[in-house]
Amino acid sequence: DGGITQSPKYLFRKEGQNVTLSCEQNLNHDAMYWYRQDPGQGLRLIYYSQIVNDFQKGDIAEGYSVSREKKESFPLTVTSAQKNPTAFYLCASSPAAGGDYGYTFGSGTRLTVV
Amino acid sequence: GENVEQHPSTLSVQEGDSAVIKCTYSDSASNYFPWYKQELGKGPQLIIDIRSNVGEKKDQRIAVTLNKTAKHFSLHITETQPEDSAVYFCAASPSGTYKYIFGTGTRLKVLA
Repeated sequence: DGGITQSPKYLFRKEGQNVTLSCEQNLNHDAMYWYRQDPGQGLRLIYYSQIVNDFQKGDIAEGYSVSREKKESFPLTVTSAQKNPTAFYLCASSPAAGGDYGYTFGSGTRLTVV
Repeated sequence: GENVEQHPSTLSVQEGDSAVIKCTYSDSASNYFPWYKQELGKGPQLIIDIRSNVGEKKDQRIAVTLNKTAKHFSLHITETQPEDSAVYFCAASPSGTYKYIFGTGTRLKVLA
């Protein structure tokens, strides 16, 4: 079955540590997205990629980095510069960039700073 | 900037009753309006969407209506069931952008 796989499901980060969240899709979608979800704030866009080897900052990109070396993969690194990283992170994909396609979301990664 | 307001933030209904969630958007050029359902600990799932050239769309017990003049759209769930309990998000896609603007979510509880 086609879909998006996020791993790990739970992740714990120590102060000052970088961590990488994995996102893989087998839907042959061109566009991929990373969102952060906090209680009462909906979903906020961190980064998005319209095509391989290209990505753009979203609304809250500070303290995060991404890469898009393969169509199927869009990993997110949460760096030590992100001061409040505890949140639920969601990866999504759509057939193409442009806001009139439905997104397919992964099941999320819950990141906690310890 | 673009904004989507969603109301109510929580909604409790008796099983079998109808539920209505409303969203208002700010960018009149928005042209695509999806609705997502998110169950606890899972990612959101697209349940229905509507484009700006359509006023209403229905899929079994779920319907979405769009009023472009007033810039608002609504999700209607009829004959609610306990499995409808979840958080529902609306979104709007401003013209010329590659992203959605999401509402803040509505927690729906269907009481048996």
